[in-house]
Amino acid sequence: EVQLVESGGGLVQPGGSLRLSCAASGFTFSNYWMHWVRQAPGMGLVWVSRINGDGGSTTYADSVKGRFTISRDNAKNTLYLQMNSLRAEDTAVYYCVRPGSDYSKYTWFDPWGQGTLVIVSS
Amino acid sequence: EVVLTQSPGTLSLSPGERATLSCRASQSVSSSYLAWYQQKPGQAPRLLIYGASSRATGIPDRFSGSGSGTDFTLTISRLEPEDFAVYYCQHYGSSQYSFGQGTKLEIK
Repeated sequence: EVQLVESGGGLVQPGGSLRLSCAASGFTFSNYWMHWVRQAPGMGLVWVSRINGDGGSTTYADSVKGRFTISRDNAKNTLYLQMNSLRAEDTAVYYCVRPGSDYSKYTWFDPWGQGTLVIVSS
Repeated sequence: EVVLTQSPGTLSLSPGERATLSCRASQSVSSSYLAWYQQKPGQAPRLLIYGASSRATGIPDRFSGSGSGTDFTLTISRLEPEDFAVYYCQHYGSSQYSFGQGTKLEIK
């Protein structure tokens, strides 16, 4: 069974940092691009970032570019999101997402992790 | 960037009725890159439809997707109590992976 389990969320002050982790199991992690998607309270889904299978290619939404860094450790089957210079508008549930098809960056998202909540507030 | 606009914002129907949800793209997109997700309160989104019309594994056949170009539709033929949720469309054919703002399907 494919599983994605996020951790690392919590309360952080504006300007602070947080690192999210996503432990993957049940599939060959290194074969897949991986993504982060976030959802502010009561709002819709917003794509945040993606990384290719070997970690050599990354892309970010404009809203997080220069502040967030996506990375992965294929030996540990783990995806990360390092979030720096956090702002109130970064408050959201952050989902780790696997594409529905391996080796491809342009596929649907399936499955999704359960999400981890990040609250940026003083 | 492709902007997806979903309508209506809220749809009030009764169990057993047919639901039709719309997703309009700001420019023509390939139907190969259009997906639909269902999200219930406190849960992660779940894939329903990909490639505009292909049902994901385990999705009941009362869910169907159609459309092309700029206009796409998710149809639920006969609503079950568990279908009342928020539905999102997504375009995954570009680096922005844009989502629609969602349609809330509520019990009338």
